[in-house]
Amino acid sequence: ETGVTQTPRHLVMGMTNKKSLKCEQHLGHNAMYWYKQSAKKPLELMFVYNFKEQTENNSVPSRFSPECPNSSHLFLHLHTLQPEDSALYLCASSQEIRMNTEAFFGQGTRLTVV
Amino acid sequence: SQQGEEDPQALSIQEGENATMNCSYKTSINNLQWYRQNSGRGLVHLILIRSNEREKHSGRLRVTLDTSKKSSSLLITASRAADTASYFCATDALDTDKLIFGTGTRLQVFP
Repeated sequence: ETGVTQTPRHLVMGMTNKKSLKCEQHLGHNAMYWYKQSAKKPLELMFVYNFKEQTENNSVPSRFSPECPNSSHLFLHLHTLQPEDSALYLCASSQEIRMNTEAFFGQGTRLTVV
Repeated sequence: SQQGEEDPQALSIQEGENATMNCSYKTSINNLQWYRQNSGRGLVHLILIRSNEREKHSGRLRVTLDTSKKSSSLLITASRAADTASYFCATDALDTDKLIFGTGTRLQVFP
């Protein structure tokens, strides 16, 4: 248990659906991240939030929409996804954005787009 | 890209043997970290080595960093079947706030 909780653990959605992934941490961290992990590819950084403000959008398509209502919660809203968006989506947090400390990861949401 | 690359991509050893994984990266860094991932799960932090450090130990783990060669190695001594996992290096570059991961090494330890 890392202190970062992601829900749901598994999600199957159609290409016309709208769904949201949730991430929660009560570690007192100020920075939160979304990563995408596809088969046979390195982890791809998607979004970075620092003190609830988005500081990085790594050229992510607009069908992925992040939301950070407070420093403990991070959402990833999904709409009109494509089958190639199927992947493991990992949330992480760290004490600060200049990462001289470790990142704590959630268990991930396994997303399948059909 | 500042992405790290691990070598080898896959490694199979017997219990009790040592496992060595290497990581190369492209730009100057603040620190380099190693993470472990069990199949389909989240990543777990193993060890962080700062750019001014050359070697660090944690239990059965030994990490080295050579900033002149932009490379790092992770040594797991006296491996156990429970060490079976994927291992990733991650770098925190000087000119960015991103933590960028490498492609990973899949380690299989046979009992």
